[in-house]
Amino acid sequence: EAGVAQSPRYKIIEKRQSVAFWCNPISGHATLYWYQQILGQGPKLLIQFQNNGVVDDSQLPKDRFSAERLKGVDSTLKIQPAKLEDSAVYLCASSLAGVGIQKENNEQFFGPGTRLTVL
Amino acid sequence: QKEVEQDPGPLSVPEGAIVSLNCTYSNSAFQYFMWYRQYSRKGPELLMYTYSSGNKEDGRFTAQVDKSSKYISLFIRDSQPSDSATYLCAFRSNFGNEKLTFGTGTRLTIIP
Repeated sequence: EAGVAQSPRYKIIEKRQSVAFWCNPISGHATLYWYQQILGQGPKLLIQFQNNGVVDDSQLPKDRFSAERLKGVDSTLKIQPAKLEDSAVYLCASSLAGVGIQKENNEQFFGPGTRLTVL
Repeated sequence: QKEVEQDPGPLSVPEGAIVSLNCTYSNSAFQYFMWYRQYSRKGPELLMYTYSSGNKEDGRFTAQVDKSSKYISLFIRDSQPSDSATYLCAFRSNFGNEKLTFGTGTRLTIIP
């Protein structure tokens, strides 16, 4: 079974530029998550989709970050304009079940992440 | 008070030693307790998972949950150089969405 795919793996941009990340979850997984992991910290959830609907975007800085999951499969996360503090690894994860279904076994599988450096 | 506290390390131990990693938490709604392992330049992978209080053993790994003290532990026996990674504790509540709350991670190095 193929894992969660992310691209690009690395990106270097200057502040105020825009950037986009792509994620393709495990086939058949209903729920997709974007996490931000700043160096030396644990991942922090930015946004969660169930199929093509947003479940939780409470920690997404909506003035500069946007995300979509058209057709309920792959997803893109965009930052515009980027700030220095956005330098981090952006992790995508997916899980099989939707919210409230089979909670005990709803493991989240993570992709390798995209390492963003904002200069 | 932070919702999750984890000693960031780094922690270095000789090969074959027993390793103890710990996290404390403050959210009483957490019912699912997990340990993720993250190798350098990789995404986290689920290592151990426990529902509510108790112990769980899987090979060289043992996870313990003490809900009364809001304290969880991961023990690694007969540690190997391949165990060198960052270990993240993670928590999830029994209601709402599937959001995981992570600790900061402990960086572990096993010295051959």
